[in-house]
Amino acid sequence: ETQLEESGGGLVQPGGSLRLSCAVSGFIFSDYSMNWVRQAPGKGLEWLSYITRDGSGMIYVDSVKGRFTISRDNAKGSLYLQMNSLRVEDTAVYYCVRDYNYAFDIWGQGTMVTVSS
Amino acid sequence: QSAPTQPPSASGSPGQSVTISCTGTSSDVGGYNFVSWYQHHPGKAPKVLIYEVNKRPSGVPDRFSGSKSGNTASLTVSGLQAEDEADYYCCSFAGSNSGWVFGGGTKLTVL
Repeated sequence: ETQLEESGGGLVQPGGSLRLSCAVSGFIFSDYSMNWVRQAPGKGLEWLSYITRDGSGMIYVDSVKGRFTISRDNAKGSLYLQMNSLRVEDTAVYYCVRDYNYAFDIWGQGTMVTVSS
Repeated sequence: QSAPTQPPSASGSPGQSVTISCTGTSSDVGGYNFVSWYQHHPGKAPKVLIYEVNKRPSGVPDRFSGSKSGNTASLTVSGLQAEDEADYYCCSFAGSNSGWVFGGGTKLTVL
């Protein structure tokens, strides 16, 4: 069964850091580009970042450029999101998402990140 | 880069059809045939319904269909069922420098 499982969420103070992980199973990880998408409480979905199959190319939404870094380890079947300089407005459920033909076909269940003092 | 505009709400009775619009710009919806639609039941993972404007992944009922004209994409849900009540989001590729942009979402109510 194709699965994505996020971990690493939690409570962090403004200005702090967190590293999210996404473990994949059921498909050949290195065959797919990957993304992170988030949903703040009461808000809509927001695409955050994309990484190519081999990890050589990344794209970020303006609101996280310079603060968040996407990476992957194909040998481990894992996707990561390093989040620095966190702000209250980064509070959200963060989803790991597989890319398929410029769409998002497989989603994890999400991990909650709360930024609060 | 601003989000494509969706109506905040839509509704219909069981068996009816409803269409949700997604209006962007020539830099996103109008510029690429990479518009997708997602169904999101609160507390669950979003599910892709349509990709590349009008293609359905396997397992998605043909009651769901997509189209695009100019800068506006549309999702039509035919033969409404109670389980269709959910939030619906459009999403468009916006170029290799900008990535993707989601619409603001539409809450569909089945009366």
